[in-house]
Amino acid sequence: GQSLEQPSEVTAVEGAIVQINCTYQTSGFYGLSWYQQHDGGAPTFLSYNALDGLEETGRFSSFLSRSDSYGYLLLQELQMKDSASYFCAVRSHQAGTALIFGKGTTLSVSS
Amino acid sequence: DSGVTQTPKHLITATGQRVTLRCSPRSGDLSVYWYQQSLDQGLQFLIQYYNGEERAKGNILERFSAQQFPDLHSELNLSSLELGDSALYFCASSAELASHEQFFGPGTRLTVL
Repeated sequence: GQSLEQPSEVTAVEGAIVQINCTYQTSGFYGLSWYQQHDGGAPTFLSYNALDGLEETGRFSSFLSRSDSYGYLLLQELQMKDSASYFCAVRSHQAGTALIFGKGTTLSVSS
Repeated sequence: DSGVTQTPKHLITATGQRVTLRCSPRSGDLSVYWYQQSLDQGLQFLIQYYNGEERAKGNILERFSAQQFPDLHSELNLSSLELGDSALYFCASSAELASHEQFFGPGTRLTVL
């Protein structure tokens, strides 16, 4: 089968840096996406990695290591509004045309 | 605002009933995906339609069905409802058949009493 593992909760303070890890197991891996979801809201796309390395978008960066079946989302200069759930999702041959999501990591940012 | 609309926003019904959730994708998007999100659960992929045809199926129960119409809007039908079907149901759309970037609607919160 296929699976994604990410921590259920992470806490941090404003201004800090936090890393949310995601390990995946699938066959025919194409890429890893990250989505943000505020409480009760719609998930929104953050980033996508198809190749090894770091992709930077403002305060958010995403990293992928295909050989380790591992990726992470790095959030810098944390703000209260970053408190949300973060989901990793895989595209793979096994998943076909669908995206398969992890269970999500709830990030709580305190002042 | 993603451009994806879903109706109704909230739905309260009783066990054994049948409901229909509606989704209109972003203008020009041909792919529609349906997801179920229960409390403290991730997004469970249910089914995908592309230009009117079913293209991928996830963990969708036999009591659930969906379709995509010629105008590209989609409906998710849930029947013989059980308490455990209470969840947020999201629709997402994308332009391509297989996309890592999907645009999600605001969701329909279904409560089964």
